Amino acid sequence: DAKTTQPTSMDCAEGRAANLPCNHSTISGNEYVYWYRQIHSQGPQYIIHGLKNNETNEMASLIITEDRKSSTLILPHATLRDTAVYYCIVRVALGGNEKLTFGTGTRLTIIP
Amino acid sequence: SQTIHQWPATLVQPVGSPLSLECTVEGTSNPNLYWYRQAAGRGLQLLFYSVGIGQISSEVPQNLSASRPQDRQFILSSKKLLLSDSGFYLCALGQSNQPQHFGDGTRLSIL
Repeated sequence: DAKTTQPTSMDCAEGRAANLPCNHSTISGNEYVYWYRQIHSQGPQYIIHGLKNNETNEMASLIITEDRKSSTLILPHATLRDTAVYYCIVRVALGGNEKLTFGTGTRLTIIP
Repeated sequence: SQTIHQWPATLVQPVGSPLSLECTVEGTSNPNLYWYRQAAGRGLQLLFYSVGIGQISSEVPQNLSASRPQDRQFILSSKKLLLSDSGFYLCALGQSNQPQHFGDGTRLSIL
C-alpha cells in the first residue's frame, strides 16, 4: 500500500473551511484515497473517498491533484464537533475486504 | 442500515486473567469482519479478519485469538492477558463496494 504523510496537527476557526492535506506520492493507479476521522474515544468514521475525480458529499469535499500524488480534505464550515483526528489512507479496491492501515493522522482542533 | 455492537465499552482486567470481547453486527449478511487495536497515541493495527464463519486470518503474532461462531458475531479472546494487551479494540465491518465501518470500541486496561 502507498504510504501517506499528513501534518501532525492543525487548528481552524469555527465557521471557517478546514483544509487538511495529505501526500501520497507513491500511489498506484488503482489505489483509492479514503478519509476517516476519529473523535475521542469513538471508532473511526468514514468521511469520503475518491480515485481521481474530486468528490463531494454531505460531510466534506475531496480534492485530488491531477498527478494523484496529494489530496486535500475540505470541511466547508467547521464546527466544534469536527474536532477529531483525521486519517488519510490509500488502498486498492473499494470492496469491503480491504485491510486498512491507519497512520497517526492529523489532529484537527476547531477553535471557537 | 448496518449497525455494529461492541461490548463492554470499557474493561479493567488484571494481568493473567482471560478476556472475551464480543462484536455483533446487524443489517447485513456475510460481511467481512475485522478486529483492530489502537494503542494510546498510535494508529490502528489490524489484528484479525474473517471472511466467513470459522474463517480467521491473523495479521500479527500475539497473545490474542479470534473466533467467528456465527455470520454476524466476531469474538476476540485471550487465555492470559499481558500488560501490553492494553488498548482500544475496534471491530469493523466491510462489504463489497462499501467503505469499512467501525464500532465504538472497547477500551481495555490491564492492571
